[in-house]
Parts: sequence; C-alpha cells; structure tokens
Amino acid sequence: SQQGEEDPQALSIQEGENATMNCSYKTSINNLQWYRQNSGRGLVHLILIRSNEREKHSGRLRVTLDTSKKSSSLLITASRAADTASYFCVRDTPLVFGKGTRLSVIA
Amino acid sequence: DVKVTQSSRYLVKRTGEKVFLECVQDMDHENMFWYRQDPGLGLRLIYFSYDVKMKEKGDIPEGYSVSREKKERFSLILESASTNQTSMYLCASSLAVSNQPQHFGDGTRLSIL
Repeated sequence: SQQGEEDPQALSIQEGENATMNCSYKTSINNLQWYRQNSGRGLVHLILIRSNEREKHSGRLRVTLDTSKKSSSLLITASRAADTASYFCVRDTPLVFGKGTRLSVIA
Repeated sequence: DVKVTQSSRYLVKRTGEKVFLECVQDMDHENMFWYRQDPGLGLRLIYFSYDVKMKEKGDIPEGYSVSREKKERFSLILESASTNQTSMYLCASSLAVSNQPQHFGDGTRLSIL
C-alpha cells in the first residue's frame, strides 16, 4: 500500500493540551501534506513539507519529517474545541490518503 | 481564496439511474480530482484530469466515468447507479498534480436506493 498510515486512529484530549499525531509511509516521497476534515465537510489543506525539510510551522501547527524513518508528525499546541476533526497525512503524486486520526478536543 | 463548488450536498437516486455529480473551481487550476470516502476505507481516488478533455484512472474507476469539457468543470458520471456506490464524493482541484495543495469542495453525500 502507498497509503500514509496515521497513528493513533483516535485521540481525545482536554482543551489547552497539545495533540500529536504520527504518520508513517512506505515509499520515498517528494513531499508530504497534512489535511483536516471537519465532520461531513471537505478537506482543508494545513501544511506541505518537502522531502528536504525537517520541520515546518504554521500558527499552532508544527510538522516534522524524518525521511530516514519514513515518518512525519503533526503537533497542535494549545488545542481548542474547534480543532476537533479528522487529520490525514498524504503522500504525493497522486495524493494517497490514509484513514486519518480522529481528534476530539473536550472543552 | 480558491473555491471548489459541488452542485449538491445531498443526493438520493435509484438503482440503475444515470447520475451526474458536478464540480466547478474558480482558480483556473489545470488539475481536478474525484474521490469517494467511505468509513474504514478513507479517501480513494476515482479519476483525475490534468487538462481539458484529458483524464486518468485512479484506484477505483470501475462503474464511473468523467467529463472535462471546460477547464473549470469536472463531472463524475455513474452510468448505472448501484447501491454499493452510496458514498461521500469529494471533488478537488490543484495547480499541479504534485507538490501543490489540493483544494476540496464540501462533498456530495450520495445515496442509491
């Protein structure tokens, strides 16, 4: 399978805590992307990290990439109830999606 | 901001009907995609198009066809709908096939009775 595999499948945290989601993949990549999907809606692009980058930030989001381990992580700091969603890591060309991590942030 | 608009949020059709799902993007993107999303299976690529009148099969093209007569519009066609095509259908567009984010519509939840 060329899917990104997210871990854990589900995560429940309290508001204000940090949330970390991990992703592993099997073949080499040019880039890896993270998306968010609110229940019943389309996906929203969060961050694209290229294979020659190790870390990237966007607001409260931090993505790391370790190509030697074929893994990536998404950290959401100071989580809010509005962060409740499914999060997908996606390898490129064409995009192949994993099954996602369902994050619940409890107020 | 890129806007990808899918014609219906919810659609109910009967087995054997010909079903059209329409998708329009307003950013002059070359590439457009159709996915279906099912519980436990994630998103799976049905077809994509990298130019007008051009199309490529994705992972699960059986039972579907597509049409791209104009750059901004990409249609998914179920020639003879079956109950196993009940799903959430998501359309996306991007500037390039790789190394660029995809922009998604809100999805069409299709039920085939």
